[in-house]
Amino acid sequence: AQSVTQLDSQVPVFEEAPVELRCNYSSSVSVYLFWYVQYPNQGLQLLLKYLSGSTLVKGINGFEAEFNKSQTSFHLRKPSVHISDTAEYFCAVSRGGFQKLVFGTGTRLLVSP
Amino acid sequence: DGGITQSPKYLFRKEGQNVTLSCEQNLNHDAMYWYRQDPGQGLRLIYYSQIVNDFQKGDIAEGYSVSREKKESFPLTVTSAQKNPTAFYLCASTTVAGQQAFFGQGTRLTVV
Repeated sequence: AQSVTQLDSQVPVFEEAPVELRCNYSSSVSVYLFWYVQYPNQGLQLLLKYLSGSTLVKGINGFEAEFNKSQTSFHLRKPSVHISDTAEYFCAVSRGGFQKLVFGTGTRLLVSP
Repeated sequence: DGGITQSPKYLFRKEGQNVTLSCEQNLNHDAMYWYRQDPGQGLRLIYYSQIVNDFQKGDIAEGYSVSREKKESFPLTVTSAQKNPTAFYLCASTTVAGQQAFFGQGTRLTVV
Protein backbone atom coordinates (compact mmCIF):
# COMPACT_ATOMS: atom_id res chain seq x y z
CA ALA A 1 0.00 0.00 0.00
CA GLN A 2 1.12 3.52 -0.66
CA SER A 3 1.58 6.19 1.98
CA VAL A 4 2.55 9.86 1.92
CA THR A 5 4.40 11.85 4.56
CA GLN A 6 4.46 15.62 4.61
CA LEU A 7 7.12 16.45 7.09
CA ASP A 8 6.01 19.96 8.01
CA SER A 9 2.52 20.80 9.21
CA GLN A 10 3.18 24.51 8.88
CA VAL A 11 5.81 26.58 7.06
CA PRO A 12 6.05 30.31 7.79
CA VAL A 13 7.94 32.40 5.26
CA PHE A 14 8.36 36.05 4.34
CA GLU A 15 7.10 37.40 1.05
CA GLU A 16 9.58 37.09 -1.86
CA ALA A 17 11.59 34.41 -0.03
CA PRO A 18 12.03 30.92 -1.51
CA VAL A 19 10.12 27.99 -0.06
CA GLU A 20 10.27 24.20 -0.14
CA LEU A 21 7.46 21.96 1.04
CA ARG A 22 8.61 18.42 1.64
CA CYS A 23 6.86 15.23 0.61
CA ASN A 24 8.03 11.63 0.90
CA TYR A 25 6.11 8.60 -0.28
CA SER A 26 6.34 4.87 0.04
CA SER A 27 5.26 2.43 -2.62
CA SER A 28 6.54 -0.84 -4.04
CA VAL A 29 5.32 0.00 -7.54
CA SER A 30 5.52 2.94 -9.92
CA VAL A 31 3.24 5.77 -8.93
CA TYR A 32 1.85 9.04 -10.08
CA LEU A 33 2.59 12.01 -7.81
CA PHE A 34 0.58 15.17 -7.33
CA TRP A 35 0.58 18.46 -5.46
CA TYR A 36 -2.73 20.15 -4.78
CA VAL A 37 -3.47 23.54 -3.21
CA GLN A 38 -6.50 24.37 -1.09
CA TYR A 39 -7.65 27.86 -0.19
CA PRO A 40 -9.97 28.27 2.84
CA ASN A 41 -13.36 26.58 2.46
CA GLN A 42 -12.65 25.56 -1.10
CA GLY A 43 -11.91 22.37 -2.97
CA LEU A 44 -8.48 21.22 -4.12
CA GLN A 45 -6.80 22.62 -7.21
CA LEU A 46 -4.06 20.75 -9.02
CA LEU A 47 -0.69 22.53 -8.92
CA LEU A 48 1.36 19.95 -10.79
CA LYS A 49 1.76 16.24 -11.42
CA TYR A 50 4.44 13.72 -12.21
CA LEU A 51 3.36 10.84 -14.41
CA SER A 52 6.60 9.89 -16.19
CA GLY A 53 9.51 11.42 -18.07
CA SER A 54 11.42 14.45 -16.81
CA THR A 55 11.86 14.45 -13.07
CA LEU A 56 11.49 18.23 -12.84
CA VAL A 57 7.88 19.19 -13.17
CA LYS A 58 6.64 22.74 -13.57
CA GLY A 59 3.18 23.73 -12.45
CA ILE A 60 0.93 26.73 -12.14
CA ASN A 61 1.65 29.89 -10.16
CA GLY A 62 5.43 29.46 -10.49
CA PHE A 63 5.64 26.23 -8.51
CA GLU A 64 7.82 23.28 -9.48
CA ALA A 65 8.62 19.89 -7.98
CA GLU A 66 11.34 17.32 -8.46
CA PHE A 67 10.73 13.60 -8.43
CA ASN A 68 13.57 11.74 -6.74
CA LYS A 69 13.07 8.00 -7.02
CA SER A 70 16.07 7.00 -4.91
CA GLN A 71 14.91 9.18 -2.03
CA THR A 72 11.22 8.56 -2.72
CA SER A 73 10.59 12.28 -2.51
CA PHE A 74 8.57 14.85 -4.42
CA HIS A 75 9.34 18.20 -2.83
CA LEU A 76 7.52 21.35 -3.96
CA ARG A 77 9.47 24.57 -4.48
CA LYS A 78 8.89 28.18 -5.40
CA PRO A 79 11.77 30.66 -5.76
CA SER A 80 9.78 33.69 -4.56
CA VAL A 81 6.46 33.46 -2.74
CA HIS A 82 3.61 35.96 -2.65
CA ILE A 83 1.06 36.72 0.03
CA SER A 84 -1.53 35.05 -2.21
CA ASP A 85 0.32 31.73 -1.91
CA THR A 86 -0.91 31.41 1.66
CA ALA A 87 -2.91 28.18 1.59
CA GLU A 88 -2.75 24.49 2.47
CA TYR A 89 -0.78 22.21 0.19
CA PHE A 90 -1.35 18.50 -0.18
CA CYS A 91 0.94 15.90 -1.68
CA ALA A 92 -0.78 12.80 -3.07
CA VAL A 93 0.17 9.51 -4.71
CA SER A 94 -1.74 7.15 -6.96
CA ARG A 95 -1.02 4.05 -8.95
CA GLY A 96 -3.29 5.39 -11.68
CA GLY A 97 -6.05 3.57 -13.52
CA PHE A 98 -8.83 4.20 -11.00
CA GLN A 99 -6.52 3.59 -8.11
CA LYS A 100 -7.47 5.88 -5.28
CA LEU A 101 -5.41 8.91 -4.34
CA VAL A 102 -3.60 8.71 -1.03
CA PHE A 103 -3.01 12.10 0.54
CA GLY A 104 -0.53 13.46 3.02
CA THR A 105 -1.78 15.38 6.03
CA GLY A 106 -1.07 18.74 4.39
CA THR A 107 1.32 21.65 4.92
CA ARG A 108 0.00 25.08 5.71
CA LEU A 109 2.10 27.76 4.00
CA LEU A 110 1.91 31.11 5.78
CA VAL A 111 3.38 34.02 3.83
CA SER A 112 3.82 37.27 5.73
CA PRO A 113 4.91 40.70 4.49
CA ASP B 1 -17.69 24.86 -18.37
CA GLY B 2 -17.06 21.31 -17.24
CA GLY B 3 -16.61 20.59 -13.58
CA ILE B 4 -17.90 19.10 -10.36
CA THR B 5 -20.73 20.70 -8.43
CA GLN B 6 -21.31 19.97 -4.76
CA SER B 7 -24.38 21.18 -2.93
CA PRO B 8 -25.13 22.62 -0.54
CA LYS B 9 -21.97 24.50 0.46
CA TYR B 10 -23.02 24.57 4.12
CA LEU B 11 -25.29 22.06 5.83
CA PHE B 12 -26.54 21.80 9.38
CA ARG B 13 -27.95 18.60 10.80
CA LYS B 14 -29.53 17.68 14.07
CA GLU B 15 -28.19 14.65 15.87
CA GLY B 16 -29.97 11.47 14.83
CA GLN B 17 -30.88 12.69 11.36
CA ASN B 18 -29.69 11.38 8.02
CA VAL B 19 -28.52 13.93 5.47
CA THR B 20 -27.55 13.62 1.80
CA LEU B 21 -24.77 15.56 0.10
CA SER B 22 -25.01 16.06 -3.63
CA CYS B 23 -22.19 15.65 -6.16
CA GLU B 24 -22.69 16.10 -9.89
CA GLN B 25 -20.05 16.11 -12.64
CA ASN B 26 -20.24 16.91 -16.35
CA LEU B 27 -16.70 15.85 -17.18
CA ASN B 28 -17.79 12.43 -18.44
CA HIS B 29 -15.48 10.81 -15.89
CA ASP B 30 -16.05 7.21 -14.99
CA ALA B 31 -14.68 7.25 -11.45
CA MET B 32 -16.01 9.33 -8.56
CA TYR B 33 -14.87 9.62 -4.96
CA TRP B 34 -15.93 11.03 -1.60
CA TYR B 35 -13.34 12.29 0.86
CA ARG B 36 -13.68 13.60 4.37
CA GLN B 37 -11.35 16.35 5.59
CA ASP B 38 -10.63 17.08 9.24
CA PRO B 39 -8.05 19.57 10.52
CA GLY B 40 -4.57 18.05 10.66
CA GLN B 41 -5.67 14.74 9.13
CA GLY B 42 -5.61 15.43 5.45
CA LEU B 43 -8.20 13.76 3.24
CA ARG B 44 -9.57 10.33 4.00
CA LEU B 45 -11.45 8.24 1.47
CA ILE B 46 -15.05 7.33 2.35
CA TYR B 47 -16.36 5.62 -0.80
CA TYR B 48 -15.47 5.43 -4.47
CA SER B 49 -17.15 4.24 -7.63
CA GLN B 50 -15.53 3.20 -10.88
CA ILE B 51 -18.70 2.53 -12.83
CA VAL B 52 -22.44 3.03 -12.63
CA ASN B 53 -24.22 0.76 -10.14
CA ASP B 54 -20.96 -0.24 -8.48
CA PHE B 55 -19.03 1.27 -5.57
CA GLN B 56 -16.46 0.26 -2.98
CA LYS B 57 -15.79 1.21 0.61
CA GLY B 58 -12.84 3.41 1.34
CA ASP B 59 -10.93 3.73 4.58
CA ILE B 60 -13.70 5.26 6.71
CA ALA B 61 -17.01 4.03 5.24
CA GLU B 62 -18.78 3.28 8.53
CA GLY B 63 -21.83 5.49 9.01
CA TYR B 64 -21.98 6.53 5.34
CA SER B 65 -23.79 5.23 2.27
CA VAL B 66 -23.65 6.07 -1.45
CA SER B 67 -25.37 5.29 -4.72
CA ARG B 68 -24.30 5.53 -8.34
CA GLU B 69 -27.41 5.30 -10.48
CA LYS B 70 -26.10 7.73 -13.09
CA LYS B 71 -22.59 8.37 -14.36
CA GLU B 72 -22.90 12.05 -13.53
CA SER B 73 -24.10 11.71 -9.95
CA PHE B 74 -22.62 10.23 -6.76
CA PRO B 75 -24.62 11.34 -3.69
CA LEU B 76 -23.34 10.65 -0.19
CA THR B 77 -25.67 10.01 2.74
CA VAL B 78 -24.37 10.66 6.23
CA THR B 79 -26.44 8.43 8.49
CA SER B 80 -27.22 8.71 12.17
CA ALA B 81 -24.72 5.88 12.71
CA GLN B 82 -21.85 8.23 11.93
CA LYS B 83 -20.71 9.28 15.40
CA ASN B 84 -18.74 12.37 14.47
CA PRO B 85 -20.08 13.72 11.17
CA THR B 86 -19.00 17.35 11.51
CA ALA B 87 -16.37 17.80 8.78
CA PHE B 88 -15.64 19.18 5.32
CA TYR B 89 -16.65 16.74 2.57
CA LEU B 90 -15.06 16.74 -0.86
CA CYS B 91 -16.20 14.96 -4.00
CA ALA B 92 -13.78 14.17 -6.81
CA SER B 93 -13.72 12.46 -10.18
CA THR B 94 -10.97 11.02 -12.36
CA THR B 95 -10.36 9.95 -15.92
CA VAL B 96 -10.05 6.33 -16.97
CA ALA B 97 -6.28 6.47 -16.55
CA GLY B 98 -6.62 8.15 -13.17
CA GLN B 99 -4.01 10.69 -14.10
CA GLN B 100 -5.69 13.66 -12.47
CA ALA B 101 -8.49 14.12 -9.97
CA PHE B 102 -10.87 17.05 -10.21
CA PHE B 103 -12.50 18.28 -7.01
CA GLY B 104 -15.72 20.02 -6.14
CA GLN B 105 -15.82 23.04 -3.84
CA GLY B 106 -16.85 20.98 -0.84
CA THR B 107 -19.72 20.82 1.63
CA ARG B 108 -19.20 21.77 5.25
CA LEU B 109 -21.47 19.69 7.45
CA THR B 110 -22.11 20.73 11.02
CA VAL B 111 -24.10 18.75 13.56
CA VAL B 112 -26.07 20.97 15.92
